[in-house]
Amino acid sequence: DIQMTQSPSSLSASVGDIVTMTCQASQSVRDYLSWYQQKPGEAPKLLIYGASILHSGVSSRFSGSGSGTHFTLTINNLRPEDFASYYCQQSYTTLWTFGQGTKVEIK
Amino acid sequence: QVQLIQSGAEVKRPGASVKVSCKASGYTFTNSDITWVRQASGQGFEWMGWMDPDNGDTRYAEKFQGRVTMTRDTSKSTASMELHSLTYEDTAVYFCARRSRFRGNSDYYYGIDVWGQGTMVTVSS
Repeated sequence: DIQMTQSPSSLSASVGDIVTMTCQASQSVRDYLSWYQQKPGEAPKLLIYGASILHSGVSSRFSGSGSGTHFTLTINNLRPEDFASYYCQQSYTTLWTFGQGTKVEIK
Repeated sequence: QVQLIQSGAEVKRPGASVKVSCKASGYTFTNSDITWVRQASGQGFEWMGWMDPDNGDTRYAEKFQGRVTMTRDTSKSTASMELHSLTYEDTAVYFCARRSRFRGNSDYYYGIDVWGQGTMVTVSS
């Protein structure tokens, strides 16, 4: 299986900040990489697919980049509703895998 | 609207089996794969596998091979996931979700765009 490693595991930030988190794959997944947001007690929401394509209805403050083994999710102008956990997931292989998540907390 | 509604919480003894159901509405059930993902308390997601409701084809994560069965009833637009030989480590919230295909600039990509509400499965003696 392809292993997905996210860093950092958590970060503290303030409203208005720019936040960046990374996802590293154990082997190339090309650009078959999605990002999800999960708030406590809720199901996840799809933010980005194809490494950089914003899913319908998702704020343009979110952006994704990368290909191969290294990917980045950036949140511009952090808002209160953005405090949540974020997960990457590869769909390059038939057997999917998720990263362990990055929790964005209020500073 | 598009929804996946899951069955209620379960408490099972070690060694038992659990079956979680997932009813789809608001879209054509056989047009999109159903995937199952679980999340232990305070942990990340663990992908378990997916099923094509159109023909019943399945792919399971290696970790669950031989212990999980994913089925569907197209007449009821319902998918099910049964996990056998439960251990304490299987205590988690289990999600069903819709695997959709999206068109990119030069390729198609998969993502999970609709999730069920989750079903808590507790393994306890």
